[in-house]
Amino acid sequence: SAVISQKPSRDICQRGTSLTIQCQVDSQVTMMFWYRQQPGQSLTLIATANQGSEATYESGFVIDKFPISRPNLTFSTLTVSNMSPEDSSIYLCSVVSGTDTQYFGPGTRLTVL
Amino acid sequence: GESVGLHLPTLSVQEGDNSIINCAYSNSASDYFIWYKQESGKGPQFIIDIRSNMDKRQGQRVTVLLNKTVKHLSLQIAATQPGDSAVYFCAEGEYNFNKFYFGSGTKLNVKP
Repeated sequence: SAVISQKPSRDICQRGTSLTIQCQVDSQVTMMFWYRQQPGQSLTLIATANQGSEATYESGFVIDKFPISRPNLTFSTLTVSNMSPEDSSIYLCSVVSGTDTQYFGPGTRLTVL
Repeated sequence: GESVGLHLPTLSVQEGDNSIINCAYSNSASDYFIWYKQESGKGPQFIIDIRSNMDKRQGQRVTVLLNKTVKHLSLQIAATQPGDSAVYFCAEGEYNFNKFYFGSGTKLNVKP
């Protein structure tokens, strides 16, 4: 399985600021996704990060709030813009490689004050 | 996204007993299902998966059962150990689209 790392692992941010989370994979992967996991809850898919084109967002998520980049087959970023306390969550990167299954990174724990 | 739910939000079992965690899904087009284990402070860890052309798949101490008729799957853990204590999620999706939607999760507590 692919080895996935995320930076930062955690952060505490002020309301109104933005944070960019990085996801790095140790091998080229077909698909990359971003999920949000609010405290004590399940995972919600934010978007599919498409290599070389705009991300595909799920219902309830928009590019202005969660801009995503994927410049190549091993790296993606998610930005949480104009943050509010409601954005406090764990943000998770996941990947699918070929016909393999979906694997997750360790997550980024975000607290917004 | 599709609605994927679970029957039991928490489950407590004695060490050594077998555990069964259930999950219902709503999208009849889903053809691929995954069980994940998530320990505190970590990302979800893949346990086992099953395609819709199967109704049972076994791994090491784990078995997944799929009933497409009633859109239900379960995860059976044999001889549950303290290290199995975690939150378990099922995820459903369409394999060709390679994206998945998650159920609400079941917390498994293993009592020594």
